[in-house]
Amino acid sequence: NAGVTQTPKFRVLKTGQSMTLLCAQDMNHEYMYWYRQDPGMGLRLIHYSVGEGTTAKGEVPDGYNVSRLKKQNFLLGLESAAPSQTSVYFCASSRTSRTDGYTFGSGTRLTVV
Amino acid sequence: AQSVTQLDSHVSVSEGTPVLLRCNYSSSYSPSLFWYVQHPNKGLQLLLKYTSAATLVKGINGFEAEFKKSETSFHLTKPSAHMSDAAEYFCVVSETRNFGNEKLTFGTGTRLTIIP
Repeated sequence: NAGVTQTPKFRVLKTGQSMTLLCAQDMNHEYMYWYRQDPGMGLRLIHYSVGEGTTAKGEVPDGYNVSRLKKQNFLLGLESAAPSQTSVYFCASSRTSRTDGYTFGSGTRLTVV
Repeated sequence: AQSVTQLDSHVSVSEGTPVLLRCNYSSSYSPSLFWYVQHPNKGLQLLLKYTSAATLVKGINGFEAEFKKSETSFHLTKPSAHMSDAAEYFCVVSETRNFGNEKLTFGTGTRLTIIP
């Protein structure tokens, strides 16, 4: 039972480069989320999806794009990386109800130099 | 708007002594409240959740939390700390507003250190 899998686990980018983070879940969850975690700031929501083919902006969406072409996958893209995007990125999924709580992936540590 | 405040950024306790991690919340609607734990270089794991049923909620690994509406608090406790409890703990609130539009708001975290 894999749960939520994030790839890659680590990445170093140069300013201006692009990349895509992949999140895959095998629990048939409808909802998926991308968060970033920075020291002293908790987790902040970047984008989320309430179902296949849908996406919406979260608290800090600027500089990121997302796609949910398949129910099990949620992709986070950085078109032109900036040092301010250095962070740990977490993907999460949930079934349909807020009462379920979220299942989190193990994170992607991204450094932009 | 919803918000959550974790009153201590760092808590240190001796092994075998009680643990108290404090959390206050603000919500305009009926909230759901969660505690998550994050061990070093790991993802977040759900410890327990309150969803308008019993106000005393029991979670995994001996943790529990009590929802107190009058005090807008949801403190996390454990009777006896274990070395494996050393981690970062996040208090989280979610409002009941529009179905399909619920979002979690995270506290800034409390780092729990266990002294041998």
